[in-house]
Amino acid sequence: AQTVTQSQPEMSVQEAETVTLSCTYDTSESDYYLFWYKQPPSRQMILVIRQEAYKQQNATENRFSVNFQKAAKSFSLKISDSQLGDAAMYFCAYRSVRYGGATNKLIFGTGTLLAVQP
Amino acid sequence: KAGVTQTPRYLIKTRGQQVTLSCSPISGHRSVSWYQQTPGQGLQFLFEYFSETQRNKGNFPGRFSGRQFSNSRSEMNVSTLELGDSALYLCASSLGEVTGELFFGEGSRLTVL
Repeated sequence: AQTVTQSQPEMSVQEAETVTLSCTYDTSESDYYLFWYKQPPSRQMILVIRQEAYKQQNATENRFSVNFQKAAKSFSLKISDSQLGDAAMYFCAYRSVRYGGATNKLIFGTGTLLAVQP
Repeated sequence: KAGVTQTPRYLIKTRGQQVTLSCSPISGHRSVSWYQQTPGQGLQFLFEYFSETQRNKGNFPGRFSGRQFSNSRSEMNVSTLELGDSALYLCASSLGEVTGELFFGEGSRLTVL
């Protein structure tokens, strides 16, 4: 069974600085998707960034980028120029592409609570 | 375009009762997934429906059930509630294709007394 581990329960960053959130996963599959989701306090969860395992190039979305190390099964999220609105719980998630990808089942990590200091 | 709507947002039940939660996906989305979020267990997958068919199911007891209607709206039901069922229940919808992004609702917070 696949597992996702986030070893940092809490992180803090100064506004305008850069922070990296860690995520490792375990799987025997060669093809899968990895995601970072953001859950602000009392608000809905939104997708931050997505990475297809078959792509070697790291995904980037504006200030958010990932460092995907497939062999090491590591998937970290870097937030550059941190803003107060980035404060939230961040979840790393895994999705299998078995069954032709016909599933939206996500396996989540336990989350990292990010605080942004002004 | 309206987002994913979950009702009710908050509810309080007592042990032994049953509860039904509703989820209206984004218009055009055919896939609906349900997740349970608790401080102890984190986010756990309950089940997923696509075009009225259950496509996948998590490791929850049979007290947890769901269904999807022809308009893609989904309901989940928990019977014989236990204290441990207290949680935030999240619904997510997507178009259903392989790389489809999941769009989450704000959740239904269930408290079991």
